[in-house]
Amino acid sequence: GQQLNQSPQSMFIQEGEDVSMNCTSSSIFNTWLWYKQDPGEGPVLLIALYKAGELTSNGRLTAQFGITRKDSFLNISASIPSDVGIYFCAACKEETSGSRLTFGEGTQLTVNP
Amino acid sequence: DAMVIQNPRYQVTQFGKPVTLSCSQTLNHNVMYWYQQKSSQAPKLLFHYYDKDFNNEADTPDNFQSRRPNTSFCFLDIRSPGLGDAAMYLCATRYISDTQYFGPGTRLTVL
Repeated sequence: GQQLNQSPQSMFIQEGEDVSMNCTSSSIFNTWLWYKQDPGEGPVLLIALYKAGELTSNGRLTAQFGITRKDSFLNISASIPSDVGIYFCAACKEETSGSRLTFGEGTQLTVNP
Repeated sequence: DAMVIQNPRYQVTQFGKPVTLSCSQTLNHNVMYWYQQKSSQAPKLLFHYYDKDFNNEADTPDNFQSRRPNTSFCFLDIRSPGLGDAAMYLCATRYISDTQYFGPGTRLTVL
């Protein structure tokens, strides 16, 4: 089945450092999404990408939809302690109904003050 | 203001005792999803409603049922919870784009 390979699985960084994570697939997708999930909470949408090559920023976050439509990356600049959490990529192929999301396995980010 | 609301946030039930989880949305989105998420794993889709049309995933156990009485509300019924059903249950909604918006989740404990 469709799979998203998300890396790294975990990151331990110092406050102020930049972070980069990515997702790759052997399949082509029409939409790439990045979510952040805090413990005990639902995933919160960070950035949505709808067009190949699209580069979008949201504050300190920047994400890109790969030109081949098979990958995406998320960068976080100048990390702060509240960036701690699990980051999931998700991608979608439009289907006849439902627009099911395929998820990456998540990147656990730890930020040391 | 909360747009996808899940109640309760924490639910404790006994082995085999039916339980219902609730999701409501103020977005007027026509598609609603139920996911199961176990610790640190990605969410796993159980089923979704496209308007009133119910779509079950092939590997969703029969123990899980859902109801959508109107656009705003969707319920997850677990008929006979087992210990393996302890998880976070997430509701999500979608409208035109592929973007799904998640609620805060309900943490289910089975004793």
